Amino acid sequence: TQLLEQSPQFLSIQEGENLTVYCNSSSVFSSLQWYRQEPGEGPVLLVTVVTGGEVKKLKRLTFQFGDARKDSSLHITAAQTGDTGLYLCAGALRDDSWGKLQFGAGTQVVVTP
Amino acid sequence: DAGVIQSPRHEVTEMGQEVTLRCKPISGHNSLFWYRQTMMRGLELLIYFNNNVPIDDSGMPEDRFSAKMPNASFSTLKIQPSEPRDSAVYFCASSWGGAASSIQTQYFGPGTRLLVL
Repeated sequence: TQLLEQSPQFLSIQEGENLTVYCNSSSVFSSLQWYRQEPGEGPVLLVTVVTGGEVKKLKRLTFQFGDARKDSSLHITAAQTGDTGLYLCAGALRDDSWGKLQFGAGTQVVVTP
Repeated sequence: DAGVIQSPRHEVTEMGQEVTLRCKPISGHNSLFWYRQTMMRGLELLIYFNNNVPIDDSGMPEDRFSAKMPNASFSTLKIQPSEPRDSAVYFCASSWGGAASSIQTQYFGPGTRLLVL
């Protein structure tokens, strides 16, 4: 059982459409990160959020950390084919001693031309 | 600058054989992580080193797995004897920092794809 549940597991959209990926938990996290992983490569960090209610924007990507620090979302506006990849959320539990990251199972996003 | 370097990139072995995976972290980083990724279990932390010292090895599956970091620029993950259920992609990641590991940027290597027949 994963501490962080991601939904949906798979998402296929056309270029130009918007999408949202969710990351939910019943546990409180001190921080949460989003990664993107492309085939044959390791995950690459996109953003870290640490404050409840925090919203961060990275070009067409908007990340939000829930007020209670139990959930997060990633919204992509006007998706491009280059956004295709496995999106992983990862969080450090509030009471963890050294900030070990717990990863969600990931959302596979496919953007078609 | 070179990123995290892992070798080999692919490994196919037979059950019972010893497997050694290697990692060279980014120069100057003092934290090193070994992860395993499978379809069933996702990305799992196996072991975390800080300043070459193992801090958390609670994710190491069993005694067949061992990891070492003899110096700041090299680490190994060894499986002996290997079993088919060990088939996975093994990632090494490094970062700069210590206590607040979760807000550091972890840089992942390209992974080693291990298949145990």
